[in-house]
Amino acid sequence: EDQVTQSPEALRLQEGESSSLNCSYTVSGLRGLFWYRQDPGKGPEFLFTLYSAGEEKEKERLKATLTKKESFLHITAPKPEDSATYLCAVQAANSWGKLQFGAGTQVVVTP
Amino acid sequence: EAQVTQNPRYLITVTGKKLTVTCSQNMNHEYMSWYRQDPGLGLRQIYYSMNVEVTDKGDVPEGYKVSRKEKRNFPLILESPSPNQTSLYFCASKGRQGAYEQFFGPGTRLTVL
Repeated sequence: EDQVTQSPEALRLQEGESSSLNCSYTVSGLRGLFWYRQDPGKGPEFLFTLYSAGEEKEKERLKATLTKKESFLHITAPKPEDSATYLCAVQAANSWGKLQFGAGTQVVVTP
Repeated sequence: EAQVTQNPRYLITVTGKKLTVTCSQNMNHEYMSWYRQDPGLGLRQIYYSMNVEVTDKGDVPEGYKVSRKEKRNFPLILESPSPNQTSLYFCASKGRQGAYEQFFGPGTRLTVL
């Protein structure tokens, strides 16, 4: 069965203190791995799609990487506006419609 | 503006009283999906639809129904709501088959007493 595990559950950072979030996955063939950002009371907002091991994507202070078993979301020199819950999801190769989400990592960046 | 809309945004109801949460997208997307989000459990897929008249179960379909009569609309129906269906519900859509990003609606917070 497909499974997605995110760690840590919560992360408190000082402004400028870089860190990484982990997303470990078990899936029978990966069609795609997604990262989303979710602010309180809002719907998830798309950040990145990764398709194959070794791939990297960047957006401002965020960088996502992918291996065969996990993905990392690196936050470089975070600012308070980076505070959010970050969600990871996987789509299996044999699935056109199903998406499996992890429970998320809640990130708080303090000034 | 390209968007997914949900109504109502907030709903408090009682056990057994049938309700419908509507979802509409204006991006001409073929694929639409419903999720529920509960603390510590993350987003769990309820139902999805690959196109008009094509729907399939996600991971937690019990107690829910859906229909896809038009491309833009994908309502979620709770025939006899129970307190364990109290949750935050999200509708999402995407444009093509394959691993493309989903666009999420703003959410519907449902409380069943």
